[in-house]
Amino acid sequence: DSGVTQTPKHLITATGQRVTLRCSPRSGDLSVYWYQQSLDQGLQFLIQYYNGEERAKGNILERFSAQQFPDLHSELNLSSLELGDSALYFCASSGDETQYFGPGTRLLVL
Amino acid sequence: EDQVTQSPEALRLQEGESSSLNCSYTVSGLRGLFWYRQDPGKGPEFLFTLYSAGEEKEKERLKATLTKKESFLHITAPKPEDSATYLCAVQSGNTPLVFGKGTRLSVIA
Repeated sequence: DSGVTQTPKHLITATGQRVTLRCSPRSGDLSVYWYQQSLDQGLQFLIQYYNGEERAKGNILERFSAQQFPDLHSELNLSSLELGDSALYFCASSGDETQYFGPGTRLLVL
Repeated sequence: EDQVTQSPEALRLQEGESSSLNCSYTVSGLRGLFWYRQDPGKGPEFLFTLYSAGEEKEKERLKATLTKKESFLHITAPKPEDSATYLCAVQSGNTPLVFGKGTRLSVIA
């Protein structure tokens, strides 16, 4: 158990819909990262927050957004969903350079 | 641009048959090289961080080594429970981690 929690575990929705994924980091970690993992793409970095502020951005679509709240939990919002957004979404947290990953949310867009 | 290439893509071993996984990388200035283990449908599990060429770290049947261009994950006398995908990632400066596509290891009893 990494100490990082993610909800929900599974999400099934329809194209065009909007969903919110939630992540609670390890106790004391200020950085939260979001990744997308699909079968053919491997782990792709989306975005990083540090103590409430956006720190780095990767290949995150404009339809996706994230935020980190004062209690350090983070949410990833995915809107206007497309079939290709079906993937595993992971959150990770770190206190130094080592990132610890949560169990992931499996999103299926039908 | 940082790049990571892992080989082989897949590896099938008999129980007890030792082998090595390779991670070749290109970075402007290595801050750290990371190995993770990932079971199907689960989150990556942290194994090792290596910082400089010549460094080695061990954990049970796994040993990670680092040179200026590549890292190896040596698996000694593997067991079926070592079956997983092994991911390598690099970080340079304050940039995000860049992951390789992984090596899918199967250990057959």
